[in-house]
Amino acid sequence: DIQMTQSPSSLSASIGDRVTITCRASQTISQYLNWYQQRPGEAPKLLIFGASGLQSGAPSRFSGSGSGTDFTLTISSLQPEDFATYYCQQTYSPRYTFGRGTKLEIK
Amino acid sequence: QVQLVQSGAVLKRPGASVRLSCKASGYTFTTYGISWVRQAPGQGLEWLGWISTFNGNTLYALNVQGRVTMTTDTSTSTAYLELRGLRSDDTAIYYCARDSKMTKGMAFFDDWGQGTLVSVSS
Repeated sequence: DIQMTQSPSSLSASIGDRVTITCRASQTISQYLNWYQQRPGEAPKLLIFGASGLQSGAPSRFSGSGSGTDFTLTISSLQPEDFATYYCQQTYSPRYTFGRGTKLEIK
Repeated sequence: QVQLVQSGAVLKRPGASVRLSCKASGYTFTTYGISWVRQAPGQGLEWLGWISTFNGNTLYALNVQGRVTMTTDTSTSTAYLELRGLRSDDTAIYYCARDSKMTKGMAFFDDWGQGTLVSVSS
């Protein structure tokens, strides 16, 4: 299986901050990389597909970049509703795998 | 609007089997696959497998292969997950998700069910 390594595992930030989360694949995955947001007690929600495509309804402050093995999710200006856990997912291999998550907390 | 509605929480004994359902609405069921994902308490997301709603082809994660069966009933737009030989570490919330691979040529999960809590305890 392709291993997905997210960093950091947790992050404290303030409203209005710019935040970047990284995800590294154990082998090249082209741009088959998605990002999800999960708030406590809720199902995950798709934010970014194909490394950089913004899902319909996702706020434009979210952006994704990268290809090959290294990817980033950037939130340009943190809002209160952005405090959640973020997961990357590769779908290059037919057996998909997720990163272990990055918990974004209020400083 | 797209909806995936899952069956209710269950409590099972170790060694038992469980069958979960996921009823889809708001789109043509046979144009999107269904993936199943679980989340153990306080843990991350684990993909369990995928089923084509068009022809019933399946692909399972290696760590549950042999214990899991995914099926669909296209007449009711419902997907099912059966897990056998339950163990305590199968305790988790189980989600179904609409998988875009069949339609978009790239897989992502753009809609999710609300989740079903499966508790395994003696």
